[in-house]
Amino acid sequence: EAQVTQNPRYLITVTGKKLTVTCSQNMNHEYMSWYRQDPGLGLRQIYYSMNVEVTDKGDVPEGYKVSRKEKRNFPLILESPSPNQTSLYFCASSLSGYSYNEQFFGPGTRLTVL
Amino acid sequence: AQSVTQLDSHVSVSEGTPVLLRCNYSSSYSPSLFWYVQHPNKGLQLLLKYTSAATLVKGINGFEAEFKKSETSFHLTKPSAHMSDAAEYFCVVSDPGGYQKVTFGTGTKLQVIP
Repeated sequence: EAQVTQNPRYLITVTGKKLTVTCSQNMNHEYMSWYRQDPGLGLRQIYYSMNVEVTDKGDVPEGYKVSRKEKRNFPLILESPSPNQTSLYFCASSLSGYSYNEQFFGPGTRLTVL
Repeated sequence: AQSVTQLDSHVSVSEGTPVLLRCNYSSSYSPSLFWYVQHPNKGLQLLLKYTSAATLVKGINGFEAEFKKSETSFHLTKPSAHMSDAAEYFCVVSDPGGYQKVTFGTGTKLQVIP
């Protein structure tokens, strides 16, 4: 089944404790992206990747890191999480970065930083 | 710069009555436009997309949307609401170009009353 998977689905952590949220897609998509969803704000893009080893900042990149060493994986790293990073995170992928391609979304990771 | 405005944060309809979710966009180019649906505790799923072909776009589950350039609108409609349509809906604009710069609306929560 074609899908985007994220792990973990739920995570509660404390301020400053480094964490990684994994994202993997099995559709051979070139483009991958991370979003955070907050009430009343819709989805905001954190980082995106056009292909392996090619990443760039989205609208809200502060406090996050990403890497794209393999085409299928795009982990999101919070080196020193803070409470304002408590949010619902989505990973997405699409065939390419062209604007007409729809994105396929993972199920989401709900992160709470205490 | 692109932007998207969903005019209603909440819409409530009775089962069997029409649904109208409003979306206005701003773009310097001929954009691609999407509607995604998010059911509770789920990821986002594509409903339909417009990519400069037919202005009336049909999607899944009986939804459709009409691209009106003169009004910069892309409203989502369905003739008859079903209980399973209760969800949050996001309008998304994407400018053409070499990479996928997308902007999400803040979402409209649809409530369907039995």
